[in-house]
Amino acid sequence: AQSVTQLGSHVSVSEGALVLLRCNYSSSVPPYLFWYVQYPNQGLQLLLKYTSAATLVKGINGFEAEFKKSETSFHLTKPSAHMSDAAEYFCAILYSGAGSYQLTFGKGTKLSVIP
Amino acid sequence: DTGVSQDPRHKITKRGQNVTFRCDPISEHNRLYWYRQTLGQGPEFLTYFQNEAQLEKSRLLSDRFSAERPKGSFSTLEIQRTEQGDSAMYLCASSPPSRGDTGELFFGEGSRLTVL
Repeated sequence: AQSVTQLGSHVSVSEGALVLLRCNYSSSVPPYLFWYVQYPNQGLQLLLKYTSAATLVKGINGFEAEFKKSETSFHLTKPSAHMSDAAEYFCAILYSGAGSYQLTFGKGTKLSVIP
Repeated sequence: DTGVSQDPRHKITKRGQNVTFRCDPISEHNRLYWYRQTLGQGPEFLTYFQNEAQLEKSRLLSDRFSAERPKGSFSTLEIQRTEQGDSAMYLCASSPPSRGDTGELFFGEGSRLTVL
């Protein structure tokens, strides 16, 4: 079975500091991996995705993530945090097999940005 | 551009009552998904429709839950004889086929259910 684990349910960073949100995956097949973001009172939206092309994936709002097979990781980074980045971030993996297309999400990491 | 719309946004009910949630997907998205999110957890898959056909159901979807998408457009999720454990945010998402296959879903804002 495919799964993702997010390390840290809550991360606080100062405005302008590096953002690093951790995600490790488990999969017996090459995975499709995703980061979704949920801003307060809004629906989840796709931030970026990895689908076996380039290992460094760039997303919206200056975020990027690097797929590292040797570490089974897909950590999300942003060089300089902005107040507007405060949100909950979910790592997800796509299960696809026998016509099934399910996203399995991690538990989420809530990012707080301190002015 | 109209996004995924869910109604009601909030529902408070007493244990044992039935509730129904409605989801209107993005126009021309033929795939529709229901997820459930409880406090401190990520969204969990419940069920998936392609057009009007319900192609997959999670074992989380007990026999008290039923979902329909009668004309391949909007969908309803009904919970019968609600229990306190049903309290959660119910999320609807849609996608066109090419993007659904690669995990790109468009989510609504959710319907929050509180069972007293």
